[in-house]
Amino acid sequence: EAGVVQSPRYKIIEKKQPVAFWCNPISGHNTLYWYLQNLGQGPELLIRYENEEAVDDSQLPKDRFSAERLKGVDSTLKIQPAELGDSAVYLCASSLAYNEQFFGPGTRLTVL
Amino acid sequence: EDQVTQSPEALRLQEGESSSLNCSYTVSGLRGLFWYRQDPGKGPEFLFTLYSAGEEKEKERLKATLTKKESFLHITAPKPEDSATYLCAVRGSNYKLTFGKGTLLTVNP
Repeated sequence: EAGVVQSPRYKIIEKKQPVAFWCNPISGHNTLYWYLQNLGQGPELLIRYENEEAVDDSQLPKDRFSAERLKGVDSTLKIQPAELGDSAVYLCASSLAYNEQFFGPGTRLTVL
Repeated sequence: EDQVTQSPEALRLQEGESSSLNCSYTVSGLRGLFWYRQDPGKGPEFLFTLYSAGEEKEKERLKATLTKKESFLHITAPKPEDSATYLCAVRGSNYKLTFGKGTLLTVNP
């Protein structure tokens, strides 16, 4: 069974530029999560989807971050404009309802 | 607010030297305590879920236990391939996962 797929794996951009991350969850998983992980820290939730609905986006900086999950499958996380402090690993995870979450490999973002 | 504290931050063992990692937590309405393993450059890999005090789960050389305030991940006779960061997380009544900072385990041959 294929795991959670994320792309790109690495991204380097200049500050103030836009960037987008894509996630394809495990087939059949209705719940999808985006996390941010800084070096030496555990993942922190940005947004949680149940099917197409964002049910918890309280930690998402809405002035520059946006996310969507069309048709309840794939999801895209966007940052516009990116700031130096956004450099981190962005992880996508999925689960069947609220069972254990399975993580993708992450996208490492570097903002110069 | 849910909180998770893991100790030690880093642990270095010799191959075959058993030890334990600690995860202390405060949570409103525990809906599960989770252990994950994370290798460098990869996403966390699910290991165990524990739901109630007294519960134990085992997988190969790993055994996770749970009390009302903490969880332990016991590693018996570790091998170099067990080297990784081990993350603990709790899920509270809002179904949100709160992670600790992790314990970096190094097992020397």
